[in-house]
Amino acid sequence: AQSVTQPDIHITVSEGASLELRCNYSYGATPYLFWYVQSPGQGLQLLLKYFSGDTLVQGIKGFEAEFKRSQSSFNLRKPSVHWSDAAEYFCAVSSGGYQKVTFGTGTKLQVIP
Amino acid sequence: GAGVSQSPRYKVAKRGQDVALRCDPISGHVSLFWYQQALGQGPEFLTYFQNEAQLDKSGLPSDRFFAERPEGSVSTLKIQRTQQEDSAVYLCASSLQGVGEKLFFGSGTQLSVL
Repeated sequence: AQSVTQPDIHITVSEGASLELRCNYSYGATPYLFWYVQSPGQGLQLLLKYFSGDTLVQGIKGFEAEFKRSQSSFNLRKPSVHWSDAAEYFCAVSSGGYQKVTFGTGTKLQVIP
Repeated sequence: GAGVSQSPRYKVAKRGQDVALRCDPISGHVSLFWYQQALGQGPEFLTYFQNEAQLDKSGLPSDRFFAERPEGSVSTLKIQRTQQEDSAVYLCASSLQGVGEKLFFGSGTQLSVL
């Protein structure tokens, strides 16, 4: 069965600093990988997704993620964090097909001035 | 509307009551999903519809949970004889169709069972 692990429950970074959120997945074949962001009172919003091809994918709001098959990882990065990036971030995996999506437990990002 | 709409936004129920949660997906979206998100957790899959057909209900936690989408658009998640452990945010998501399509989520219904 597919699964996702986000080892960091909570991360605090200073505004302007770089960010990396970790995600490890478990799935036998090539997975479909996603990062979603959830702001308070808002629905989940897709940041980016990986299906195939270039392992470095660009998303909205200046985020990017790199798929590393050898490490079963799909870490999310941003070079310079803005205060508005404070939110909860979820990594997710799908096996394709009808696309049942399995989410990780999330990483809550706090941004300090 | 332009997005996925869920109602009510908040629901308080006494233990043992039945509740019905509504989801209006984006017009034309074929796929519809229900997820349950407990406090501090990621969304957990409940069930999936393709048009009016419920293709997967493996995530429904018990036979007290029932979902329908009779005309392939609006969906209702019904919970009978609610219990305290049912307290969570229930999220609905839709997508146009196809493998790996982007999911559009509603803001959810926060259910509190007292």
